[in-house]
Amino acid sequence: DGGITQSPKYLFRKEGQNVTLSCEQNLNHDAMYWYRQDPGQGLRLIYYSQIVNDFQKGDIAEGYSVSREKKESFPLTVTSAQKNPTAFYLCASSSTSYEQYFGPGTRLTVT
Amino acid sequence: GQQVMQIPQYQHVQEGEDFTTYCNSSTTLSNIQWYKQRPGGHPVFLIQLVKSGEVKKQKRLTFQFGEAKKNSSLHITATQTTDVGTYFCAHERGDSGYALNFGKGTSLLVTP
Repeated sequence: DGGITQSPKYLFRKEGQNVTLSCEQNLNHDAMYWYRQDPGQGLRLIYYSQIVNDFQKGDIAEGYSVSREKKESFPLTVTSAQKNPTAFYLCASSSTSYEQYFGPGTRLTVT
Repeated sequence: GQQVMQIPQYQHVQEGEDFTTYCNSSTTLSNIQWYKQRPGGHPVFLIQLVKSGEVKKQKRLTFQFGEAKKNSSLHITATQTTDVGTYFCAHERGDSGYALNFGKGTSLLVTP
C-alpha cells in the first residue's frame, strides 16, 4: 500500500527543545517537500529536496533543518531558534511536474 | 516566490447552491493545480491545468484556466455536504523544480 507516512500525528514539546518530525514515502518519488500550515495562511514551503543528498530552502526555512540521506526519508528538525513553532506540518512528495502527494501531517504544539 | 490570491476566503452556502472560488496572479503561470483539504485532513490533488483557456470537468466540479494564464477558477454545481473543506490553488515556483506556491485557500461550508 503506497503512500506517505508522518509520525507522530500529535507532538508536544517544551520551549527550547529541538524536535524531529518524521516523513517516509514508498512511492519511489525523487522530490520531497515540507510545508507549514497556520490557520488562514495556506501552506508555506519550508524546505524541499529534488534528489538524495540535496535540498534547498523554501520561504520560511529559518529555525528549521532537514536531511535527505535516503530517497524514502526526509526528516524535519524544528530547532529552538524557530520563534513560533506551533503549527501543522505537512510533508509531500512528487515524481515530476505534477501532483504532490501529502502525508497526514504532524500537529506540533510547543509551550 | 510569486503569490496567487484566492477569493473569497470563506463561503457559506446552502446545500444545492453553486460555489465558485477564484485564483488570481499578477504574472503568467506555467500551470495551476487545485487541491482540496477536508477539515482535519491533508490536501488532496484534484487537477492540473496547463493550457491557455483550458476547461476541465470532474462530475460537479468545473475548472478553468484563463486565456492569459493569470487566473483560474473552480466552480461546484449543486453543492453537497461532502464538498465541505478548503480549496487551494497552487502553481510551480519556477525557480525551484517542482515546489509549489499555494494560495491561502477558500474554506467552503455547506449546510443541509
